[in-house]
Amino acid sequence: ETGVTQTPRHLVMGMTNKKSLKCEQHLGHNAMYWYKQSAKKPLELMFVYNFKEQTENNSVPSRFSPECPNSSHLFLHLHTLQPEDSALYLCASSQEWRVPYEQYFGPGTRLTVT
Amino acid sequence: GQQVMQIPQYQHVQEGEDFTTYCNSSTTLSNIQWYKQRPGGHPVFLIQLVKSGEVKKQKRLTFQFGEAKKNSSLHITATQTTDVGTYFCAGGNQAGTALIFGKGTTLSVSS
Repeated sequence: ETGVTQTPRHLVMGMTNKKSLKCEQHLGHNAMYWYKQSAKKPLELMFVYNFKEQTENNSVPSRFSPECPNSSHLFLHLHTLQPEDSALYLCASSQEWRVPYEQYFGPGTRLTVT
Repeated sequence: GQQVMQIPQYQHVQEGEDFTTYCNSSTTLSNIQWYKQRPGGHPVFLIQLVKSGEVKKQKRLTFQFGEAKKNSSLHITATQTTDVGTYFCAGGNQAGTALIFGKGTTLSVSS
């Protein structure tokens, strides 16, 4: 499946580094999402963008900074992360941001913070 | 906040046995979606149920949505090794503004 792509697939960064995760969807969807998936935890919704406008920010620490330049691209800028931020970061898209549209996930970026 | 509980967390079966995972919400849901995540993969949408009491089938998979729209189940008949993975339910809140994922049930199958 190549509808939603994410780069890089793996990332190791120190706590003082700055890096960015990239997501691109080729499905013509209007909504894009960032999720965090940690071991033994449910998928945690971080941010939602609808038509490039942020509609949800689920109390995410400011060391995570999203950017949505257009409906096809979504970035997650990372800086001064903590080891507990190590997780799989999944990008998803859907036709519209409201339920009941199904979400299409990218392969994820496996992030390790050292 | 609203939570969607899913049980069991893990299930191991012998190939050919049946498998069921259950999803429960304390509040009425607008709809329920099911996703499957293979080991090392990402969640993939399986199906959506919207109507009270709705039942849908996909080959060996049967999905149900409770009459009160507060619970759902996924039943797999005669499991195969290809069924291995984590099955997530995701419930839509009444306002239709959020999809809340359960923790998932991880299924392992031995041949």
